This record gives sequence, C-alpha cells and structure tokens, in this order.
Amino acid sequence: KAGVTQTPRYLIKTRGQQVTLSCSPISGHRSVSWYQQTPGQGLQFLFEYFSETQRNKGNFPGRFSGRQFSNSRSEMNVSTLELGDSALYLCASSWGSGNAGELFFGEGSRLTVL
Amino acid sequence: KNQVEQSPQSLIILEGKNCTLQCNYTVSPFSNLRWYKQDTGRGPVSLTIMTFSENTKSNGRYTATLDADTKQSSLHITASQLSDSASYICVVGMIAGNNRKLIWGLGTSLAVNP
Repeated sequence: KAGVTQTPRYLIKTRGQQVTLSCSPISGHRSVSWYQQTPGQGLQFLFEYFSETQRNKGNFPGRFSGRQFSNSRSEMNVSTLELGDSALYLCASSWGSGNAGELFFGEGSRLTVL
Repeated sequence: KNQVEQSPQSLIILEGKNCTLQCNYTVSPFSNLRWYKQDTGRGPVSLTIMTFSENTKSNGRYTATLDADTKQSSLHITASQLSDSASYICVVGMIAGNNRKLIWGLGTSLAVNP
C-alpha cells in the first residue's frame, strides 16, 4: 500500500511569489491535514479537508489556502510569499477525521523563500 | 490554556542504554495522547495512541505510559539503537462538541551515540 506522497520535495521561491504544494493520501483515506513545521515552533496546524470540505482551520493568514479533490488528493497554496514562510510543509492523511484517528504523514515539502 | 510540554528538550545517550521522555499536558477535555517519532527532514511516524482508559501501551522497544489524573505521559525506550536518534513528539487530542483539535508538543531531540 503506497504511503502519503507529497510533491515537490524541495523548492525555492522569492518573496512575493506564490507556491502550490500537492499531497496524495493513502488510498481509501478521506481526510488530509496540512501542517507547517519550523525550528523552535513545532508543528502548526494549517487546515484539514474531509470529503472535499474544509473541516478545521488553524490560525494562519488568508494567504494560506487549500482544497481537496474528489479523489481525496489535496493542494495547498501560499500567495505573496514572505521570508517567514520558509518551512517544512507536511501533509497527513487518515481514514476518518485526522484529529481522532491515526495520522500518516508524507515526507514533506521543504520551501525556502529568498 | 491548552498546552503540551515535553522534557528534556534534548538528550544524549549511549547505544544500548534506556531512556525516558516526559510529556505534561493541560489539555481539556482530553480525547487521546499520541507519541510520534520524527527523523530529521522526514515526516513524523506514529508510535502509540492511547485513550483515557489506557495507562500503558508498547510498540516494540517503545513503551508509553499515561496518567490521566496527573496529566502526564512518558515514553520509555529500551536498549536504544543508533536508529532511535530522532525527535519524539507528544500530541494530545481534545474533543469539545464538534471541535476536534490536536495539541502538539515541541518534541524531545534524542541522540544515540555509539
């Protein structure tokens, strides 16, 4: 059974640009959650999608957005990038709600903003 | 305020030795407590998930304990191996009505030296 796949693994952008990250969950999983991880901050919850609907949202500005498709694949977008957006972005999938069931994480997309 | 605090922040041990990591939380209402292992640059991997009624759970050389009365958990690693070098993150789930959240600790960084 394939795990959670995130693309791209690494990317470099400049301030003001936008970026789109992709996450393919484990087959059969309907929930996809996104996290931002920076040194010293731990994992910060961005949002969770379940059956194409945003179920929960963290405390991030509107520049951070996401969506989920009918095949459960999810994308997150960050517009008008800032230096502080440099981080490891992690996607996690679960069969039910990510906050109740076991989370399976991808390897992450490491974003560097110059 | 819902918080998860882990100690120590970092730890160095010799291969073959045992160690115990601590997690104290002030999350309420409590739903579950999880321990994750995160290798550098990779996504977290679930070690254990415990509910209110469970006070110990093992996964190979990893044993987690939970004291819901004192709101403390520990992760004990037996006969450490070099591959145990990683960050160990304690996560507490809460459910309040329709609101489900995971509260993440900052992790304990463990280095196992030969």
